Amino acid sequence: QKEVEQDPGPLSVPEGAIVSLNCTYSNSAFQYFMWYRQYSRKGPELLMYTYSSGNKEDGRFTAQVDKSSKYISLFIRDSQPSDSATYLCAMNNNFNKFYFGSGTKLNVKP
Amino acid sequence: GAGVSQTPSNKVTEKGKYVELRCDPISGHTALYWYRQSLGQGPEFLIYFQGTGAADDSGLPNDRFFAVRPEGSVSTLKIQRTERGDSAVYLCASSLGTNNEQFFGPGTRLTVL
Repeated sequence: QKEVEQDPGPLSVPEGAIVSLNCTYSNSAFQYFMWYRQYSRKGPELLMYTYSSGNKEDGRFTAQVDKSSKYISLFIRDSQPSDSATYLCAMNNNFNKFYFGSGTKLNVKP
Repeated sequence: GAGVSQTPSNKVTEKGKYVELRCDPISGHTALYWYRQSLGQGPEFLIYFQGTGAADDSGLPNDRFFAVRPEGSVSTLKIQRTERGDSAVYLCASSLGTNNEQFFGPGTRLTVL
């Protein structure tokens, strides 16, 4: 079993839709949870970072962590074609070794 | 300012050859990470440096892989006797410290024929 599971998609939505991306994990020691966005042939860029359980909002993006269910989510409101990319979740219990999901490919259609 | 840079951007080699991949981190960043990303997968941790020393090399798949960071800045990932299964994008990231955001480079796409 992988440490982090993520639906690979692809997920296709119309412009303006609310997008929900999710990951599950198995290691209850994970405390730091991140979402990265990766455009084709580029390195990942950090979108959201959350410590422990709870919600965090930044503009159109909201990250949620439910440690009791070992489940994290990223919501994108008013999605734009420029949001089309692969979204990666990542997590760890210290800052040495990150565990990434396999990524969900999102396509926002104009 | 300049981000993380990696050279070469693409490397094609033959099975059994030796390759070196270079990472130039953001100036002042003490932590440096190497990851490997296969097609359709997320980045897989290889090794982490704090300064000049490898603080965690538990992700290196076998002894054909080795990385150095002799002066605490530039790092080189070295792969001996390359195999076709080594083909992937090798990503480098750096951060100010171990509790800061990681900034990724664009990666080196390695193809082993």
